[in-house]
Formats: sequence, structure tokens, C-alpha cells
Amino acid sequence: DSGVTQTPKHLITATGQRVTLRCSPRSGDLSVYWYQQSLDQGLQFLIQYYNGEERAKGNILERFSAQQFPDLHSELNLSSLELGDSALYFCASSAGLGVYEQYFGPGTRLTVT
Amino acid sequence: DAKTTQPNSMESNEEEPVHLPCNHSTISGTDYIHWYRQLPSQGPEYVIHGLTSNVNNRMASLAIAEDRKSSTLILHRATLRDAAVYYCILFLDYGGATNKLIFGTGTLLAVQP
Repeated sequence: DSGVTQTPKHLITATGQRVTLRCSPRSGDLSVYWYQQSLDQGLQFLIQYYNGEERAKGNILERFSAQQFPDLHSELNLSSLELGDSALYFCASSAGLGVYEQYFGPGTRLTVT
Repeated sequence: DAKTTQPNSMESNEEEPVHLPCNHSTISGTDYIHWYRQLPSQGPEYVIHGLTSNVNNRMASLAIAEDRKSSTLILHRATLRDAAVYYCILFLDYGGATNKLIFGTGTLLAVQP
């Protein structure tokens, strides 16, 4: 158990819909990351927050957005969903910036039908 | 971001040592070498990291070539639980700006009983 929790575990929704994925980092960790894992693209970095502020953006679509709240939990919002958004979404956390190990949650499996 | 090259797959026997190679010929002086692994149906898990010297921890050892253009992750006694995809990642210390991970395709390690 990494200490990072993600909800929900599974999500099935239709094209065009909007969903919110939630992540609670390990106690004390200030950095939160979101990654997407699909069969054709592998594991891809989406976005990072540090202590409430956006720190880095990867291959995140404009239809996707994220935020980190004062209690340090984070949410990833996916809107106008397409079939190709079906993937595993992982949240990770680390103590801070710099060379820290990242702890990954169990992931949310999103299926868009 | 500098690239790494790993074999697509490797096989090992239980209780034998495993040497997982990684080439990173374009590594720069400030790139750290990180290893993560992903067990089936789980999020990635930190294994080890290093900069120039060889490193040991309870999970594995990391041997870094003198020119830093390659490294080897060593599992001293493979168990069935070590069957996973192993990712070698070059992590640039952005001086505290971000610490995103850029995953490649990794090496799928199979462990035979």
C-alpha cells in the first residue's frame, strides 16, 4: 500500500460525458502528479501540482483539467469524453520538488462507451 | 528529455540473479537514473535511483557505468513476485521546477519457477 488513494476504482461512462477522478496523496506529500496509461500510448505524464500550484504540464488535452485543493487532494476533470480516453489514470505523490521518489495510487480505470 | 533503451522482455529463473540493462547514451551530467516497476494490475512502484555511484537498497542494486551511458538494475534473487515491467527513466533535476517522470516502454521480466 503506497498510501495514495484514488477514487473511484472503476468508471464506465458514455461519450460526451464529464467525469471527475479524485486523488488523496500520502500524508505530508506536497506534490501530486497525474499519469494516463493506455495500450497504445503507454504511461504518459499529464500534469503536476505542488502545494496547490500547477508546476508542469505534459500531454494533457484541453478537455482535461486538474486542480489541487488546500488540503492537498487533487481532482482530474475529463470532459467531452471520447472512446480514446478509455485508459487507466494514475495519481502519484512525492514529498516535494527535486529528486524524490514518487508513490503511485492503484489507479482509476475509465471506460468510455 | 533524454531517451533510454531497454530490451522489450527478459526471462529469469526463480532465486537466480537478474541483470536488467538500460542504455542512455545521451545522458547529461545532471540526469539522475531512476528505476520503477509495475506489477500486473498495479500502479508503478519506485525501485531505486542514482547519479554516478552504484547504489544499493533493500529491493535492488543499481550499477552505473563509469561514462554513465548505461546502467544495470540488479535483482539479487528473483522471486515470482518480481515479475513486472521495469522502467529505466532519466530524471533531469530541473532545479526544483518540476520532477515529472517520462516513461519509456520498459522491460517485461518473466520469472519462471
